[in-house]
Amino acid sequence: EAGVAQSPRYKIIEKRQSVAFWCNPISGHATLYWYQQILGQGPKLLIQFQNNGVVDDSQLPKDRFSAERLKGVDSTLKIQPAKLEDSAVYLCASSAGLAGAYTGELFFGEGSRLTVL
Amino acid sequence: AQSVTQLDSQVPVFEEAPVELRCNYSSSVSVYLFWYVQYPNQGLQLLLKYLSGSTLVKGINGFEAEFNKSQTSFHLRKPSVHISDTAEYFCAVTRMNTGFQKLVFGTGTRLLVSP
Repeated sequence: EAGVAQSPRYKIIEKRQSVAFWCNPISGHATLYWYQQILGQGPKLLIQFQNNGVVDDSQLPKDRFSAERLKGVDSTLKIQPAKLEDSAVYLCASSAGLAGAYTGELFFGEGSRLTVL
Repeated sequence: AQSVTQLDSQVPVFEEAPVELRCNYSSSVSVYLFWYVQYPNQGLQLLLKYLSGSTLVKGINGFEAEFNKSQTSFHLRKPSVHISDTAEYFCAVTRMNTGFQKLVFGTGTRLLVSP
């Protein structure tokens, strides 16, 4: 079974530029998450989708971050404009619908490391 | 809201020695508890989970954890570590039975196993 796919793995941009990250979850997984992991910290949930609807985006900085999950499959996370403090690893995860969401068993991709200069 | 505290940011240990990684949580309601492991340049992988039942749970790679409700702890243990166990370990918590849940992670403990 293929795992969660993310791209790009690494991205370096200047502040005020924009960047987009892509995620393809495990086939059949209805729930998709984007987490931000700053160096030395634990992952922090940015947004959670159930199919193509948003379940929780309370910690997403909506003035600069946006995310979408068209057709309930893959997802894109965008940052525009980027700030220095956005330097982090952006982790995508998926879970097998309600059962996975209830038990918190998430399957993570390898992450996209963003460096903002 | 739930929170997790991992007091040890780094734990050095020699190969074949036992290890305990500490995790304490805070919540006013019942919770599910998890340990995830992150190997260098990889995503997080579920190590073990406590949902209900026996307070001693066993996971992959010989790890186990014990849920202690009175002490609000969920410490991770392994009786004999290997070099390959070198990784970052994250404790996580979520509210029980609330439909769509949000995992809250601790800051992680880096386990360094040396020969």
